[in-house]
Amino acid sequence: QSALTQPPSASGSPGQSVTISCTGSSSDVGGYKYVSWYQHHPGKAPKLIIYEVIKRPSGVPDRFSGSKSGNTASLTVSGLRAEDEADYYCSSYAGSNNFVVFGGGTKLTVL
Amino acid sequence: QITLKESGPTLVKPTQTLTLTCTFSGFSLTARGVGVGWIRQPPGRALEWLALIFWDDDERYNPSLRSRLTLTKDTSKNQVVLTMTNMDPVDTATYYCAHPNVAPRRQVSYFDFWGPGTQVTVSS
Repeated sequence: QSALTQPPSASGSPGQSVTISCTGSSSDVGGYKYVSWYQHHPGKAPKLIIYEVIKRPSGVPDRFSGSKSGNTASLTVSGLRAEDEADYYCSSYAGSNNFVVFGGGTKLTVL
Repeated sequence: QITLKESGPTLVKPTQTLTLTCTFSGFSLTARGVGVGWIRQPPGRALEWLALIFWDDDERYNPSLRSRLTLTKDTSKNQVVLTMTNMDPVDTATYYCAHPNVAPRRQVSYFDFWGPGTQVTVSS
C-alpha cells in the first residue's frame, strides 16, 4: 500500500481538463514543498512534469499544472491530448525516516 | 547532459542476492549536494522508492526494506551499486536509478533524470 493516495483512474475527452489528487499527511505532502509529479508511459522511464508543487521543468507544456492544499496535492491537465494518456505518480519528501514516498499512481485515459 | 543506465541480471532465484549497477554521466558523485537514488516498479503496481546515496556516503533506505539493501559508490567509475539480499518473487520489478535534486538539509525535491530501467524477475 502506497504512502500517498491517488485515484486509480481518471479520464477525459480531448480538450477537456482533468485533475488528479494525491493525499498524504502532515509528515509528507502537508509538511514540505517538495511534491513532484511524474508521467509514466509503459516501457519508458518516468518523466518529471511538476516539481516543488507548482513548478514545471523546461519543455513541459503549461497544460500541466500543480497545486496543494493541506495534505492534498493536485495535478491538473488542461486541453487533454491523446499523448497525455499515461500513468501519473505523485511523490513527496517525507522527512528523515521515510525520506521519499510515492503515490499509488493514476491511469489517465483520454476518451 | 545527465544520463543514467541500470545493469544487472534479468533473472535471479529466490533467496539469492541481487546486484544492480547504475552507471551515470554528466555529474560527479564527489560534488557536494549530489546523490543517486533507486526506485522500482513491480508489474502492474506503483513506483516504490528504495534507497539513495549522497556524495559523502550518507545512505538512506526505505524503512520497509532497509535490512535487505546496501548501496555503494565507485566515483572513479561513475557507478552506484545496489545490493538486495534474500530475493523473493514479490521483488520482481523494473528497477530504475535516478538523479535527485537535493534541497537544503538533504531533502530530496525531485528526481529529474531517470535511467531506462532494468527488468528483474525472481523465479526458480
